[in-house]
Amino acid sequence: GENVEQHPSTLSVQEGDSAVIKCTYSDSASNYFPWYKQELGKRPQLIIDIRSNVGEKKDQRIAVTLNKTAKHFSLHITETQPEDSAVYFCAAIGGNNRLAFGKGNQVVVIP
Amino acid sequence: EAQVTQNPRYLITVTGKKLTVTCSQNMNHEYMSWYRQDPGLGLRQIYYSMNVEVTDKGDVPEGYKVSRKEKRNFPLILESPSPNQTSLYFCASSSGQSNTEAFFGQGTRLTVV
Repeated sequence: GENVEQHPSTLSVQEGDSAVIKCTYSDSASNYFPWYKQELGKRPQLIIDIRSNVGEKKDQRIAVTLNKTAKHFSLHITETQPEDSAVYFCAAIGGNNRLAFGKGNQVVVIP
Repeated sequence: EAQVTQNPRYLITVTGKKLTVTCSQNMNHEYMSWYRQDPGLGLRQIYYSMNVEVTDKGDVPEGYKVSRKEKRNFPLILESPSPNQTSLYFCASSSGQSNTEAFFGQGTRLTVV
């Protein structure tokens, strides 16, 4: 099945700086790559996703890039704000139609 | 309001005492799944269901059972809970297509003593 690896495990950034989280996946048949944000004590919620026929997607301060050849995708958060502090999960849907998650990144935005 | 509802939110139980965590969605979603979340291990899938009466094992199914008798409900059953099943559990649903958003329930914090 699909195996998703996520790096780094913890990321601290100064408010206003950018944050980048990288993920790799193993199943070349994977075609959907969502990112979920989980604030403390809350449920994961989708913030952005990308499909395999697209290389980059932006939504305000958030962007995701996908490199299918290298089998990695990244989340970019620009102009970080304190409310961006959370755990971020990358995920991929593989050829078996199952959603596999990475282990999560704790992002801390320092005011 | 579209939502996934889990009950209970918090549960403390003793080893060996059977329990059920309920999950219900009102979005007519075909696909439902259960995850457990443990520190440093992320979200690991326990079981999933692609439609009524169709269930399959995820990555960590041992010690759990599920059923899908109706489209909206997907209960998680622990026949004989053990302390290593102490965890945060999430139910999720999606429309069934392979590239659509998964909606999560609010989570169930289970402690087995």
